[in-house]
Amino acid sequence: DGGITQSPKYLFRKEGQNVTLSCEQNLNHDAMYWYRQDPGQGLRLIYYSQIVNDFQKGDIAEGYSVSREKKESFPLTVTSAQKNPTAFYLCASSTFSGRANEQFFGPGTRLTVL
Amino acid sequence: AQSVSQHNHHVILSEAASLELGCNYSYGGTVNLFWYVQYPGQHLQLLLKYFSGDPLVKGIKGFEAEFIKSKFSFNLRKPSVQWSDTAEYFCAVSYNNNDMRFGAGTRLTVKP
Repeated sequence: DGGITQSPKYLFRKEGQNVTLSCEQNLNHDAMYWYRQDPGQGLRLIYYSQIVNDFQKGDIAEGYSVSREKKESFPLTVTSAQKNPTAFYLCASSTFSGRANEQFFGPGTRLTVL
Repeated sequence: AQSVSQHNHHVILSEAASLELGCNYSYGGTVNLFWYVQYPGQHLQLLLKYFSGDPLVKGIKGFEAEFIKSKFSFNLRKPSVQWSDTAEYFCAVSYNNNDMRFGAGTRLTVKP
């Protein structure tokens, strides 16, 4: 059963702590993405990666970091430098064929900073 | 920066009413266009997409959208909504291979 999994579903963090959100896909997609979803603002791109060991900043990368050591995995770390980390985080993936393709989304992780 | 505008923040309709959700984008070049839907508690999923060809695109669950290049618009329509269409709808525009921009979303509530 192919798809994207994100864990955990809910995450609570104290201020000043780093936290890592997991994203795994078994769709054999080359490209992976992290978005942040806030009410009334839609989805905003944090980071994306087209191939293993390579990634680029999106519109709101400050306070976040990523790695892409394996094709199927693209974890996101929310660092203590992120000023307003409480949000819903979505991971997505797509094939990479030189043009924009449909992105497939995971179920999301809701992060709350206490 | 390129942008996507969805005109309605929250739309409330009765069952069997017709639906039209507006979407406009700012870029004048070649674009790929998408509508995604997020049902309560479910993944964001694709409703329909436009890359080229016939500007009237049909998607799942009776939805369709029309690309009007001169108006930079890609409005979503459905002739008769059902209670199960209650969800949040996102328009997305891709300006190149990786730069996909999402609108702020429109929340649709269908009253039974």
